Amino acid sequence: AQSVSQHNHHVILSEAASLELGCNYSYGGTVNLFWYVQYPGQHLQLLLKYFSGDPLVKGIKGFEAEFIKSKFSFNLRKPSVQWSDTAEYFCAVNHHGGSQGNLIFGKGTKLSVKP
Amino acid sequence: DAMVIQNPRYQVTQFGKPVTLSCSQTLNHNVMYWYQQKSSQAPKLLFHYYDKDFNNEADTPDNFQSRRPNTSFCFLDIRSPGLGDAAMYLCATSSPGGPDTQYFGPGTRLTVL
Repeated sequence: AQSVSQHNHHVILSEAASLELGCNYSYGGTVNLFWYVQYPGQHLQLLLKYFSGDPLVKGIKGFEAEFIKSKFSFNLRKPSVQWSDTAEYFCAVNHHGGSQGNLIFGKGTKLSVKP
Repeated sequence: DAMVIQNPRYQVTQFGKPVTLSCSQTLNHNVMYWYQQKSSQAPKLLFHYYDKDFNNEADTPDNFQSRRPNTSFCFLDIRSPGLGDAAMYLCATSSPGGPDTQYFGPGTRLTVL
């Protein structure tokens, strides 16, 4: 069965620190990859996505993620976090050309940024 | 500019008492989804509609049903809620023609007493 693993349950950083959140998936075929963010009290929002092409994907608010096919990874990065980045981050995957709705989420990583 | 709206945001029901959660969308998307998210867990897909075509996940309990009377609305019916059904229920939509980018509503938090 497909699965998505997020390595860290809770990450605490100071402002201006660099961020990397790990995401690994298990699926042998071609995949679409997503990072969603959920700010406190708000709904899940798309942060960035990878479908094909350049494996380094840039998203909103200075986030980027790199798809490394050989490692089945899609880690999220930001060079310098801000207090407003405090949120929960979910990695998700579905297989390319797959049936609508087959989006598999990781358990999420809670990021707390100290001012 | 609300795009995916869920009502109510908080719902309290009693053990065994049927409850209905509502989702509406202004995006005119063909596909609508219902997810269940329990505390500290990943959102789990329950089912989805592609237009009126209903698709149930294999492990979704029979206790959960859904209705989609038109493009804009989709309902989640829990026929006999148990304590284990307490969770956040997320509605999402997407538009075919490309890989899934799903747009989520704010969720309804269900408490079962």
